[in-house]
Amino acid sequence: EADIYQTPRYLVIGTGKKITLECSQTMGHDKMYWYQQDPGMELHLIHYSYGVNSTEKGDLSSESTVSRIRTEHFPLTLESARPSHTSQYLCASSDVRAGPTGELFFGEGSRLTVL
Amino acid sequence: ILNVEQSPQSLHVQEGDSTNFTCSFPSSNFYALHWYRWETAKSPEALFVMTLNGDEKKKGRISATLNTKEGYSYLYIKGSQPEDSATYLCAFHEDDKIIFGKGTRLHILP
Repeated sequence: EADIYQTPRYLVIGTGKKITLECSQTMGHDKMYWYQQDPGMELHLIHYSYGVNSTEKGDLSSESTVSRIRTEHFPLTLESARPSHTSQYLCASSDVRAGPTGELFFGEGSRLTVL
Repeated sequence: ILNVEQSPQSLHVQEGDSTNFTCSFPSSNFYALHWYRWETAKSPEALFVMTLNGDEKKKGRISATLNTKEGYSYLYIKGSQPEDSATYLCAFHEDDKIIFGKGTRLHILP
C-alpha cells in the first residue's frame, strides 16, 4: 500500500489567493513529481525533484512553484490563483534506484477550483 | 513532442465478457512501459512495468503484452467484473521522461 498523502483533497478559492498544495510520502523516495490533469486529458508533468534541494520544471509550463526542503515533503504553491489554474493536481513519488522500471506511487489528488 | 496514444478512449463491456485496449508509443529510445489503473476517487495504482520486447505479464484476470519494435502494448481483461471499472493509463518511459496517455475509460455493465 502506497504511503503518499495529499491535502487538501478539494479546494475552492477566489481569484488572487495564495494556495499551497501539500504532498508527503513516508517511503523514503528521492524522486517526487507533480502532475496536472484537466478532464479528459493526459497527466502532464509540471514539476519534479530528484531529492532535497532539487527542483525541475516539467514538460507543461506552470505558474506554480515547488520546494523540496525535506525528502518526504514536496509542496506546490500558487502565489496568486486564477480560474485558469482550476484543475486536478496529482503528486507522485518513485524510488530513483529503480530507474525507469520503478513504478510511480500516487496520492489521491487535489482538485482545485478557482472562482 | 512524444505522443502516447490510447484507444479506445471509452469502452462499455458487459459483465463476464473479455476485452482489450491499446497503448501506442514511440518505438525509439524505449526504456519501459507502465500500466496503471485509476479508480474513481482513488489514486492511480501500478498494474505492470514492462521492459522487454515480447514481454507478457499477468495479474489475475488482467494481462499485458509489449511490442517495442512496432511501439504498442495491449492490455487484456478476461471475464470482466464490476470492480474492473476504472481508467487504465499507460506511461512511456524514455530516459528521464515519463509520458502518459489520456487513458481508456472502462465501464462494466451489469
